Amino acid sequence: EVQLLESGGGLVQPGGSLRLSCAASGFTFSNYAMIWVRQPPGKGLEWVSIITGSGGSTDYADSVKGRFTISRDNSKNTLYLLMNSLRADDTAVYYCAKQKWELRTASDSWGQGTLVTVSS
Amino acid sequence: DIQMTQSPSSLSASVGDRVTITCRASQGISNYLAWFQQKPGKAPKSLIYAASTLESGVPSKFSGSGSGTDFTLTISSLQPEDFVTYYCQQYNSYPLTFGGGTKVEIK
Repeated sequence: EVQLLESGGGLVQPGGSLRLSCAASGFTFSNYAMIWVRQPPGKGLEWVSIITGSGGSTDYADSVKGRFTISRDNSKNTLYLLMNSLRADDTAVYYCAKQKWELRTASDSWGQGTLVTVSS
Repeated sequence: DIQMTQSPSSLSASVGDRVTITCRASQGISNYLAWFQQKPGKAPKSLIYAASTLESGVPSKFSGSGSGTDFTLTISSLQPEDFVTYYCQQYNSYPLTFGGGTKVEIK
């Protein structure tokens, strides 16, 4: 059974940094692209970033480009999202999700989410 | 970026009703379209991918259709647990984009 468990969320001041983790189990982690999606309170879903199975290719939403960095450690079956220069509009629940294979495939499993609150 | 326009944004229906949600892409996306269900306070759940293929374990009361720019999600015979929010998403190109969501409410 695929399991994805996010951690690392919390309260951070504007301009601060946070690193989210997503621990994966139940599948061969390195074979699949992974994404981060966020959801501001009471709003819809927004794609944040993607990384291929090898980690060799990444992409970002314009809203986070240059501030967020996605990475993965396939030896630890863990996905990361390093978030710098955080702003109030980054406040959201952040979900990691597994893709069905690599780029241009759908998500098929989601974590439970971790809440990031950016506020002074 | 491809814009996904989902309609309606909300609808009221009764238990046992059949409902259809529409998703329109601002440009052709072939069949690179997924549907997700989200219950309050929970993570999204994948329902359909490739516009019409049900995820494993998803009941057959859910069905999807469409190709190109126009897509639909149909839920036959609504049950109490189906009165939640649904999102479409295109994965034809990056950035991945979602529709605004459709909240299905009990009439």
